[in-house]
Amino acid sequence: AQKITQTQPGMFVQEKEAVTLDCTYDTSDQSYGLFWYKQPSSGEMIFLIYQGSYDEQNATEGRYSLNFQKARKSANLVISASQLGDSAMYFCAMRAEDSNYQLIWGAGTKLIIKP
Amino acid sequence: EAGVVQSPRYKIIEKKQPVAFWCNPISGHNTLYWYRQNLGQGPELLIRYENEEAVDDSQLPKDRFSAERLKGVDSTLKIQPAELGDSAVYLCASSQGGQGSYNEQFFGPGTRLTVL
Repeated sequence: AQKITQTQPGMFVQEKEAVTLDCTYDTSDQSYGLFWYKQPSSGEMIFLIYQGSYDEQNATEGRYSLNFQKARKSANLVISASQLGDSAMYFCAMRAEDSNYQLIWGAGTKLIIKP
Repeated sequence: EAGVVQSPRYKIIEKKQPVAFWCNPISGHNTLYWYRQNLGQGPELLIRYENEEAVDDSQLPKDRFSAERLKGVDSTLKIQPAELGDSAVYLCASSQGGQGSYNEQFFGPGTRLTVL
Protein backbone atom coordinates (compact mmCIF):
# COMPACT_ATOMS: atom_id res chain seq x y z
CA ALA A 1 0.00 0.00 0.00
CA GLN A 2 1.12 3.52 -0.67
CA LYS A 3 2.20 5.64 2.23
CA ILE A 4 3.71 9.04 2.91
CA THR A 5 5.66 9.62 6.12
CA GLN A 6 6.57 13.02 7.52
CA THR A 7 8.53 12.44 10.71
CA GLN A 8 8.72 16.04 11.93
CA PRO A 9 5.47 17.12 13.61
CA GLY A 10 6.88 20.60 14.23
CA MET A 11 9.94 22.71 13.55
CA PHE A 12 11.24 26.07 14.73
CA VAL A 13 13.66 27.88 12.43
CA GLN A 14 15.32 31.26 12.67
CA GLU A 15 14.33 33.74 9.98
CA LYS A 16 16.66 33.79 6.95
CA GLU A 17 17.97 30.30 7.66
CA ALA A 18 17.37 27.40 5.27
CA VAL A 19 15.05 24.62 6.39
CA THR A 20 14.58 21.04 5.24
CA LEU A 21 11.26 19.27 5.71
CA ASP A 22 11.47 15.50 5.49
CA CYS A 23 9.24 13.23 3.45
CA THR A 24 9.61 9.54 2.72
CA TYR A 25 7.25 7.53 0.58
CA ASP A 26 6.40 3.97 -0.23
CA THR A 27 5.03 2.73 -3.54
CA SER A 28 5.50 -0.20 -5.87
CA ASP A 29 4.76 1.92 -8.94
CA GLN A 30 7.60 2.99 -11.21
CA SER A 31 5.73 6.10 -12.34
CA TYR A 32 4.55 8.45 -9.65
CA GLY A 33 4.50 12.11 -8.71
CA LEU A 34 5.40 13.85 -5.50
CA PHE A 35 3.87 17.14 -4.39
CA TRP A 36 4.44 19.61 -1.61
CA TYR A 37 1.64 21.86 -0.40
CA LYS A 38 1.64 24.70 2.11
CA GLN A 39 -1.36 25.31 4.35
CA PRO A 40 -1.32 28.62 6.24
CA SER A 41 -3.66 29.26 9.13
CA SER A 42 -6.26 30.56 6.67
CA GLY A 43 -6.78 26.94 5.63
CA GLU A 44 -6.18 26.96 1.89
CA MET A 45 -3.81 24.38 0.42
CA ILE A 46 -1.22 26.09 -1.76
CA PHE A 47 0.74 24.04 -4.30
CA LEU A 48 4.50 24.59 -3.99
CA ILE A 49 6.44 22.12 -6.08
CA TYR A 50 6.20 18.86 -8.04
CA GLN A 51 8.69 16.07 -8.77
CA GLY A 52 8.02 13.27 -11.21
CA SER A 53 9.63 9.92 -10.60
CA TYR A 54 11.38 10.00 -13.98
CA ASP A 55 12.62 13.56 -13.64
CA GLU A 56 16.39 13.47 -13.62
CA GLN A 57 16.85 16.86 -12.07
CA ASN A 58 15.58 18.01 -8.70
CA ALA A 59 12.63 20.36 -9.02
CA THR A 60 13.07 24.01 -8.07
CA GLU A 61 10.56 26.83 -7.75
CA GLY A 62 11.98 30.07 -6.47
CA ARG A 63 13.06 29.55 -2.85
CA TYR A 64 11.69 26.00 -2.88
CA SER A 65 13.63 22.99 -4.04
CA LEU A 66 12.99 19.30 -3.74
CA ASN A 67 15.81 16.99 -2.72
CA PHE A 68 14.71 13.85 -4.53
CA GLN A 69 16.57 10.65 -3.62
CA LYS A 70 14.79 7.90 -5.49
CA ALA A 71 16.75 4.96 -4.11
CA ARG A 72 16.02 6.09 -0.57
CA LYS A 73 12.42 6.98 -1.46
CA SER A 74 12.73 10.42 0.00
CA ALA A 75 11.52 13.78 -1.32
CA ASN A 76 12.56 16.45 1.13
CA LEU A 77 11.49 20.06 0.68
CA VAL A 78 14.18 22.69 1.10
CA ILE A 79 13.20 26.30 1.73
CA SER A 80 16.08 28.71 1.37
CA ALA A 81 16.27 32.02 3.22
CA SER A 82 13.14 31.43 5.28
CA GLN A 83 10.70 34.26 5.86
CA LEU A 84 8.11 34.90 8.56
CA GLY A 85 5.40 34.25 5.98
CA ASP A 86 6.67 30.70 5.57
CA SER A 87 5.15 29.78 8.94
CA ALA A 88 2.49 27.21 8.07
CA MET A 89 1.71 23.49 7.83
CA TYR A 90 3.53 21.70 5.04
CA PHE A 91 2.20 18.52 3.47
CA CYS A 92 3.93 16.01 1.25
CA ALA A 93 1.69 14.00 -1.08
CA MET A 94 2.06 11.35 -3.77
CA ARG A 95 0.03 10.33 -6.77
CA ALA A 96 0.43 7.02 -8.57
CA GLU A 97 -1.46 4.44 -10.55
CA ASP A 98 -1.72 1.89 -7.76
CA SER A 99 -3.73 4.35 -5.68
CA ASN A 100 -6.00 5.08 -8.64
CA TYR A 101 -4.21 8.40 -9.00
CA GLN A 102 -5.55 9.67 -5.70
CA LEU A 103 -3.33 12.01 -3.75
CA ILE A 104 -1.97 10.18 -0.71
CA TRP A 105 -1.04 12.66 2.00
CA GLY A 106 1.41 12.75 4.86
CA ALA A 107 0.43 14.03 8.30
CA GLY A 108 2.21 17.33 7.77
CA THR A 109 4.91 19.36 9.48
CA LYS A 110 4.14 22.58 11.32
CA LEU A 111 6.88 25.10 10.54
CA ILE A 112 7.30 28.20 12.67
CA ILE A 113 9.77 30.87 11.61
CA LYS A 114 11.20 32.89 14.49
CA PRO A 115 12.12 36.57 13.96
CA GLU B 1 -8.51 33.74 -12.99
CA ALA B 2 -10.82 32.99 -10.06
CA GLY B 3 -9.82 30.17 -7.76
CA VAL B 4 -11.95 27.47 -6.21
CA VAL B 5 -14.79 29.03 -4.26
CA GLN B 6 -16.36 27.42 -1.23
CA SER B 7 -19.13 28.48 1.06
CA PRO B 8 -19.77 28.84 3.86
CA ARG B 9 -16.34 29.35 5.39
CA TYR B 10 -17.53 28.41 8.85
CA LYS B 11 -20.53 26.47 10.09
CA ILE B 12 -21.59 25.59 13.61
CA ILE B 13 -24.48 23.19 14.07
CA GLU B 14 -25.87 20.89 16.70
CA LYS B 15 -25.58 17.15 16.27
CA LYS B 16 -28.33 15.47 14.27
CA GLN B 17 -28.84 18.62 12.20
CA PRO B 18 -28.25 18.59 8.43
CA VAL B 19 -25.55 20.70 6.79
CA ALA B 20 -24.50 21.41 3.21
CA PHE B 21 -21.34 22.76 1.66
CA TRP B 22 -21.03 24.30 -1.76
CA CYS B 23 -18.09 24.39 -4.15
CA ASN B 24 -17.50 26.17 -7.44
CA PRO B 25 -14.37 24.85 -9.17
CA ILE B 26 -12.03 26.68 -11.48
CA SER B 27 -13.59 27.21 -14.88
CA GLY B 28 -12.71 24.41 -17.27
CA HIS B 29 -11.64 21.96 -14.59
CA ASN B 30 -13.37 18.65 -15.20
CA THR B 31 -12.28 16.94 -12.01
CA LEU B 32 -13.63 17.94 -8.62
CA TYR B 33 -12.63 16.53 -5.25
CA TRP B 34 -14.10 16.73 -1.78
CA TYR B 35 -11.71 16.11 1.12
CA ARG B 36 -12.13 16.01 4.87
CA GLN B 37 -9.27 17.22 7.00
CA ASN B 38 -9.23 16.47 10.69
CA LEU B 39 -7.15 18.60 13.01
CA GLY B 40 -3.45 17.83 12.76
CA GLN B 41 -3.84 15.46 9.82
CA GLY B 42 -3.58 15.51 6.08
CA PRO B 43 -6.70 15.59 3.92
CA GLU B 44 -8.56 12.40 3.15
CA LEU B 45 -10.50 12.02 -0.06
CA LEU B 46 -14.27 11.65 0.27
CA ILE B 47 -15.31 11.71 -3.38
CA ARG B 48 -13.92 12.51 -6.81
CA TYR B 49 -15.96 13.61 -9.80
CA GLU B 50 -15.04 13.48 -13.47
CA ASN B 51 -17.57 15.88 -14.95
CA GLU B 52 -20.92 14.77 -13.48
CA GLU B 53 -19.83 11.25 -12.67
CA ALA B 54 -18.64 10.20 -9.23
CA VAL B 55 -15.70 7.98 -10.17
CA ASP B 56 -14.36 7.37 -6.69
CA ASP B 57 -16.64 7.53 -3.66
CA SER B 58 -15.25 4.55 -1.81
CA GLN B 59 -14.41 6.62 1.27
CA LEU B 60 -17.66 8.53 1.46
CA PRO B 61 -19.76 7.39 4.46
CA LYS B 62 -22.87 6.85 2.43
CA ASP B 63 -25.22 6.38 5.36
CA ARG B 64 -25.07 10.08 6.15
CA PHE B 65 -23.03 11.79 3.44
CA SER B 66 -24.20 12.58 -0.06
CA ALA B 67 -22.80 14.66 -2.88
CA GLU B 68 -23.86 15.86 -6.26
CA ARG B 69 -22.33 17.71 -9.15
CA LEU B 70 -25.07 18.85 -11.45
CA LYS B 71 -24.06 19.82 -15.00
CA GLY B 72 -20.46 18.98 -14.17
CA VAL B 73 -19.69 22.36 -12.59
CA ASP B 74 -20.74 23.26 -9.04
CA SER B 75 -20.94 20.63 -6.37
CA THR B 76 -22.70 20.23 -3.06
CA LEU B 77 -21.70 17.95 -0.19
CA LYS B 78 -24.34 17.18 2.40
CA ILE B 79 -24.28 15.55 5.81
CA GLN B 80 -27.54 14.36 7.34
CA PRO B 81 -27.62 13.91 10.26
CA ALA B 82 -24.33 15.37 11.49
CA GLU B 83 -22.42 13.69 14.30
CA LEU B 84 -19.84 15.08 16.71
CA GLY B 85 -17.08 13.26 14.82
CA ASP B 86 -17.90 15.15 11.63
CA SER B 87 -16.24 18.27 13.00
CA ALA B 88 -13.45 18.96 10.52
CA VAL B 89 -12.44 21.17 7.63
CA TYR B 90 -14.06 20.18 4.34
CA LEU B 91 -11.89 21.07 1.37
CA CYS B 92 -12.92 21.21 -2.25
CA ALA B 93 -10.32 20.99 -5.00
CA SER B 94 -10.38 20.91 -8.77
CA SER B 95 -8.01 19.93 -11.53
CA GLN B 96 -7.99 19.68 -15.30
CA GLY B 97 -8.23 15.95 -14.94
CA GLY B 98 -6.77 13.04 -16.81
CA GLN B 99 -4.59 10.21 -15.69
CA GLY B 100 -0.90 10.36 -15.09
CA SER B 101 1.15 11.20 -12.08
CA TYR B 102 1.09 14.97 -12.62
CA ASN B 103 -2.28 16.56 -12.06
CA GLU B 104 -2.07 19.68 -9.95
CA GLN B 105 -5.05 20.17 -7.72
CA PHE B 106 -6.18 23.66 -6.79
CA PHE B 107 -7.86 23.97 -3.42
CA GLY B 108 -10.53 26.22 -2.05
CA PRO B 109 -10.30 27.84 1.41
CA GLY B 110 -12.36 25.09 3.01
CA THR B 111 -15.40 25.03 5.27
CA ARG B 112 -14.68 24.59 8.95
CA LEU B 113 -17.54 22.58 10.46
CA THR B 114 -18.12 22.41 14.19
CA VAL B 115 -20.75 20.00 15.47
CA LEU B 116 -21.89 20.63 19.05
